[in-house]
Amino acid sequence: DGGITQSPKYLFRKEGQNVTLSCEQNLNHDAMYWYRQDPGQGLRLIYYSQIVNDFQKGDIAEGYSVSREKKESFPLTVTSAQKNPTAFYLCASSSGQGGEQYFGPGTRLTVT
Amino acid sequence: AQRVTQPEKLLSVFKGAPVELKCNYSYSGSPELFWYVQYSRQRLQLLLRHISRESIKGFTADLNKGETSFHLKKPFAQEEDSAMYYCALSGHTGNQFYFGTGTSLTVIP
Repeated sequence: DGGITQSPKYLFRKEGQNVTLSCEQNLNHDAMYWYRQDPGQGLRLIYYSQIVNDFQKGDIAEGYSVSREKKESFPLTVTSAQKNPTAFYLCASSSGQGGEQYFGPGTRLTVT
Repeated sequence: AQRVTQPEKLLSVFKGAPVELKCNYSYSGSPELFWYVQYSRQRLQLLLRHISRESIKGFTADLNKGETSFHLKKPFAQEEDSAMYYCALSGHTGNQFYFGTGTSLTVIP
């Protein structure tokens, strides 16, 4: 496995703290995505970026923020405003134009 | 609005039996449809996409625009097919992907 990495695998935070999840890809892909995976709800899109320095909100962007300063990196910050942050977070990338998405291994965030 | 619907959360079949995982979609225009699979302790990965018209690991899926369906089929299920399957849709504007809620397939030996 290579190509797209996420760190850490498990993350624990106290309520009220912001936390940043890392996502890096070496596939030279233009587009990157963040999803949240909850049991019974499938994957829900948080944010996506089609190109460096540009990103758009997905279906559940409230309480999250992102940046895309480099093509290889698309970090996700889960802010204290996110009401239910405990979840499994998946990052993906694609060459764009609706092409296949390549997924990272995911980060499981637990907020107590 | 729900763009991708997978009506079955859980599906169990016996080894050697045919399997069909249902997927219906709602999208104006010409979407691209995918099936992704997540085996235990592995990352989510592409199984097949409708434009390639391939058979991957014995699975096929035909896009039926009249019924807005993209059901995944395999004539003889194997134990190694046990996994979580997600149907996904890509619209050609905005690069967004829409995933269904997933179907957990268990193949009983």
